[in-house]
Amino acid sequence: AQSVAQPEDQVNVAEGNPLTVKCTYSVSGNPYLFWYVQYPNRGLQFLLKYITGDNLVKGSYGFEAEFNKSQTSFHLKKPSALVSDSALYFCAVRPLNTGKLIFGQGTTLQVKP
Amino acid sequence: NAGVTQTPKFQVLKTGQSMTLQCAQDMNHNSMYWYRQDPGMGLRLIYYSASEGTTDKGEVPNGYNVSRLNKREFSLRLESAAPSQTSVYFCASSEPTGELFFGEGSRLTVL
Repeated sequence: AQSVAQPEDQVNVAEGNPLTVKCTYSVSGNPYLFWYVQYPNRGLQFLLKYITGDNLVKGSYGFEAEFNKSQTSFHLKKPSALVSDSALYFCAVRPLNTGKLIFGQGTTLQVKP
Repeated sequence: NAGVTQTPKFQVLKTGQSMTLQCAQDMNHNSMYWYRQDPGMGLRLIYYSASEGTTDKGEVPNGYNVSRLNKREFSLRLESAAPSQTSVYFCASSEPTGELFFGEGSRLTVL
């Protein structure tokens, strides 16, 4: 079955430190990969996507993600975390030849001052 | 630019009651989606519409029906609500290979 895994329910980092939110997927072929952020009581907001090309993708708010085909991973990163980055982050995968997006269960990022 | 608009934002139902969640997008997208979000389970796809006039079941379609009324609107109906359908429901739209744009959510409680 096609799936997306975010192995950490919560990630805690200090403000100014680098952050990584992990995502691995089990989907055949070369899927499209996405990261979304959700603030409390809000809808999901698009951060970035990987379709093809450079394995390092840059997105909104200083976030970037690294695609690793051999490890089927797409980890979200930011060089210097802000308290305002605290939110719920979702990784998502769109298998080829389908319009459907499969989401991971989400990772709560807590950035402390 | 409104994006994706969902109504109502909040609803409380009794078991067995019916209701329809409305969704409209103004981005001229072909694809529209209904997801539900439950704690610890991420977002699960209920139904999907690739284009006007087509719908397809997602991961958790039981207990729901959908209508793609036109290119802009995609409604989700609960014919006989159950407590297991207490959730936050999100509508989204996209182009076929692009990112999804989400509404702000509809919080449904079934007593």
